Amino acid sequence: KAGVTQTPRYLIKTRGQQVTLSCSPISGHRSVSWYQQTPGQGLQFLFEYFSETQRNKGNFPGRFSGRQFSNSRSEMNVSTLELGDSALYLCASSLSASYNEQFFGPGTRLTVL
Amino acid sequence: QKEVEQNSGPLSVPEGAIASLNCTYSDRGSQSFFWYRQYSGKSPELIMFIYSNGDKEDGRFTAQLNKASQYVSLLIRDSQPSDSATYLCAVKTAKDGNNRLAFGKGNQVVVIP
Repeated sequence: KAGVTQTPRYLIKTRGQQVTLSCSPISGHRSVSWYQQTPGQGLQFLFEYFSETQRNKGNFPGRFSGRQFSNSRSEMNVSTLELGDSALYLCASSLSASYNEQFFGPGTRLTVL
Repeated sequence: QKEVEQNSGPLSVPEGAIASLNCTYSDRGSQSFFWYRQYSGKSPELIMFIYSNGDKEDGRFTAQLNKASQYVSLLIRDSQPSDSATYLCAVKTAKDGNNRLAFGKGNQVVVIP
């Protein structure tokens, strides 16, 4: 069974630009969660989608948004990038929305210059 | 108060010894607790989860939960060099109305051959 895939793996952007990250969950998994990981703050929850609906949201500004498609693939968008948005963005998928067995993708390393 | 705290600095243990990691959490209503392992440059992977007070064993790993003290621990018996990684404690919380996983910042473990 293929694991969680994320594209692109690396991204360099400049301040003010926007970026879209993609996540394909494990086949059959309907829940996709997004996280931001930085050395200072650790792993922080962004949002969770289940059956195309955002079910839960973390404490991030509205510049961070996401969506989920009918095939469970998910995208995350960050608009008006700031230097502080430089981080590893991880998505995780699970069968249900309970987070009990989440499988993480390899992540997208975003650098904002 | 932080949602999930892992206060210990890097832990160095000789090969074959027991590594002990601790984690405290603030949401008294939390019911599900997880330990993830993250190798350098890789994404987190689930080691085990625990819901009930007491111990749960899985191979060389034992998770211990004490809800009254809001305390979770992970023991790694017969530590191997391959156990060298950062261990993340995660707690499922709905404290602010959003059901999500809150992560600690992690404890680095170095197993010395």
